[in-house]
Amino acid sequence: AQSVTQPDIHITVSEGASLELRCNYSYGATPYLFWYVQSPGQGLQLLLKYFSGDTLVQGIKGFEAEFKRSQSSFNLRKPSVHWSDAAEYFCAVGARNFNKFYFGSGTKLNVKP
Amino acid sequence: EAQVTQNPRYLITVTGKKLTVTCSQNMNHEYMSWYRQDPGLGLRQIYYSMNVEVTDKGDVPEGYKVSRKEKRNFPLILESPSPNQTSLYFCASSSNPGGRRRTTLTDTQYFGPGTRLTVL
Repeated sequence: AQSVTQPDIHITVSEGASLELRCNYSYGATPYLFWYVQSPGQGLQLLLKYFSGDTLVQGIKGFEAEFKRSQSSFNLRKPSVHWSDAAEYFCAVGARNFNKFYFGSGTKLNVKP
Repeated sequence: EAQVTQNPRYLITVTGKKLTVTCSQNMNHEYMSWYRQDPGLGLRQIYYSMNVEVTDKGDVPEGYKVSRKEKRNFPLILESPSPNQTSLYFCASSSNPGGRRRTTLTDTQYFGPGTRLTVL
């Protein structure tokens, strides 16, 4: 069965520190992979996506993610976190024909001043 | 401005009273989808539509209906709401029609602002 696991429910980092949010997936074929961010009371905004090719993907707001097929992972990283990055982050996988999508349970990021 | 709109944004209702949450997009997208978001569960797909008059179940379709009579609209219908349908609902649309052509890097889902539904 398809599933997405985000093992960290909450993460707190200091402003300026580096960040890595973990995402593991279970999918029968090579999926499309996404990271979304949701600020309080807002909808979801796409940070980045992986379809094929280079396994290191650059996104908006200085985020990047690396697809590791052998580990079924798609971890999100940022070298230096800003206070405005405090939000909830969702990893998602999509079917190759772009019909069904599966989301992780989310990771809430707190940023300490 | 390209956007997905949902109405209402907030709704409190009672068990059994039929309701409809509307979703409209102005991007001429063929694909549209509904999700519910619950704490600790992330987003779960309810229904999706690949095109006009083409709809299919997602992971949690029980208790919901949808229709796609025109391209821009994809309403979510709760015929007899129950308290376990209290949730935050998101509509999304995408430029990828799914299955008909190769997905490109420009394909992505655009999400509406959400509808917070409470069923008493």
